[in-house]
Amino acid sequence: GQQVMQIPQYQHVQEGEDFTTYCNSSTTLSNIQWYKQRPGGHPVFLIQLVKSGEVKKQKRLTFQFGEAKKNSSLHITATQTTDVGTYFCAGDRGSTLGRLYFGRGTQLTVWP
Amino acid sequence: DAEITQSPRHKITETGRQVTLACHQTWNHNNMFWYRQDLGHGLRLIHYSYGVQDTNKGEVSDGYSVSRSNTEDLPLTLESAASSQTSVYFCASSDDWTTGTGELFFGEGSRLTVL
Repeated sequence: GQQVMQIPQYQHVQEGEDFTTYCNSSTTLSNIQWYKQRPGGHPVFLIQLVKSGEVKKQKRLTFQFGEAKKNSSLHITATQTTDVGTYFCAGDRGSTLGRLYFGRGTQLTVWP
Repeated sequence: DAEITQSPRHKITETGRQVTLACHQTWNHNNMFWYRQDLGHGLRLIHYSYGVQDTNKGEVSDGYSVSRSNTEDLPLTLESAASSQTSVYFCASSDDWTTGTGELFFGEGSRLTVL
C-alpha cells in the first residue's frame, strides 16, 4: 500500500496566494526529502529534513518535519507563476539505505 | 559536469517485444534507481542497485529486469512489453547516505508507448 500519503493532489491558486502541501507517513522516517517537477521535466531535489521538528527555509519556501518524524509540509508564501509544477515528498524509512517512498505529489497551478 | 542520461527519450513499441532503456551516470554514484511515473500514482520504484552486481526489486518489478555490470550503467529491460507498461520512466542515482545527503539525481526521462 501507499507508504507516504500526500495531499492535496491538485491545488489552483491566484498569483500572490499562499500554498501548502502535506505529507504523512504510516511509519517513522529517518529523513524526508522534497522534489519539484516542472511540467514536462524531471524531479529536482529541493531539500532534505532530518531532525525531529526541523524547519528550513528557502526564500519563499518553508519546509517542516514533524516532531514524530511521520509528517512534513511545504509552504510557499506569495506564489509566483514560476512555482508551477508538481511537488513530491519522499520519505526514507532508514531500513533500506537510499530507498525513498514517494508521495503521489501535489500539482500546483498558479493563475496570473 | 557530472550528469545522468537516459536513452531513448521516446520509444514506441509493440506488445510482446523486448525493450531496453539505457541509463548512464557520471556521478560515480553507487546507488541507482528506476522509477515509473503515471498519472495519479506519482513515482513508483521498479528496481534499484547499491553497486556492481547488486540488484533489488522495488514495488512494481513484475515484467522488468535490470543488471549492473559497472558503476555507470543500469539498463532496464522489459522482457515482453505490455500496454500496462506505457509510462514515463525515470532513472536516478544517489550518493551513499553515509557520505552524502542521499539526494536523488534524475535523468530526463524516457517516454515509452506500448501499442
